Amino acid sequence: AQSVTQLDSQVPVFEEAPVELRCNYSSSVSVYLFWYVQYPNQGLQLLLKYLSGSTLVESINGFEAEFNKSQTSFHLRKPSVHISDTAEYFCAVSDGNNFNKFYFGSGTKLNVKP
Amino acid sequence: DTAVSQTPKYLVTQMGNDKSIKCEQNLGHDTMYWYKQDSKKFLKIMFSYNNKELIINETVPNRFSPKSPDKAHLNLHINSLELGDSAVYFCATEREKGQYNEQFFGPGTRLTVL
Repeated sequence: AQSVTQLDSQVPVFEEAPVELRCNYSSSVSVYLFWYVQYPNQGLQLLLKYLSGSTLVESINGFEAEFNKSQTSFHLRKPSVHISDTAEYFCAVSDGNNFNKFYFGSGTKLNVKP
Repeated sequence: DTAVSQTPKYLVTQMGNDKSIKCEQNLGHDTMYWYKQDSKKFLKIMFSYNNKELIINETVPNRFSPKSPDKAHLNLHINSLELGDSAVYFCATEREKGQYNEQFFGPGTRLTVL
């Protein structure tokens, strides 16, 4: 069975500061990893994903995440956040053997302060 | 054009009623999903539907039933609504089963059961 853990329910940070949102997963099979962002009163949007290849993946708005197989982690980072990054961020895992199921973490609320 | 749309956006109803939430996609994707997001922001997959193959999360009560009149629609019907059904329900699509493509989410339907 899969599980996804996002240890921080809320992360307050000042504008232009760096941020890391943590995600750990448990799986006995190969997995595919995703980060989704949910802005207030909106649906989820894909931020970035790891399927294979380079373990460092980047999004167009400056976020990056690194797949670490030994630590079963897929932490999300941004070197300098903006007010507009304030949102809920969800880490998700797709089971390599059961591709009809996505397992989501409980979400991390990123609150960027001026 | 909206890729994945849901109606209604808000739904307030009494316990015991029967209600439906509609989902429509214009992406031509083969697979559609229903998710429930509870008050703690936790996302739980309820159903996946692909080429008339329905896969049900076994924890979902049988009061919930998805109905797909055609490939572009996957509606969610709920019988005998209970207080605990209050949540935000998201429809999502995926281009092709097993291809690990991103899921595209609708804007959500906020259901409040009084």
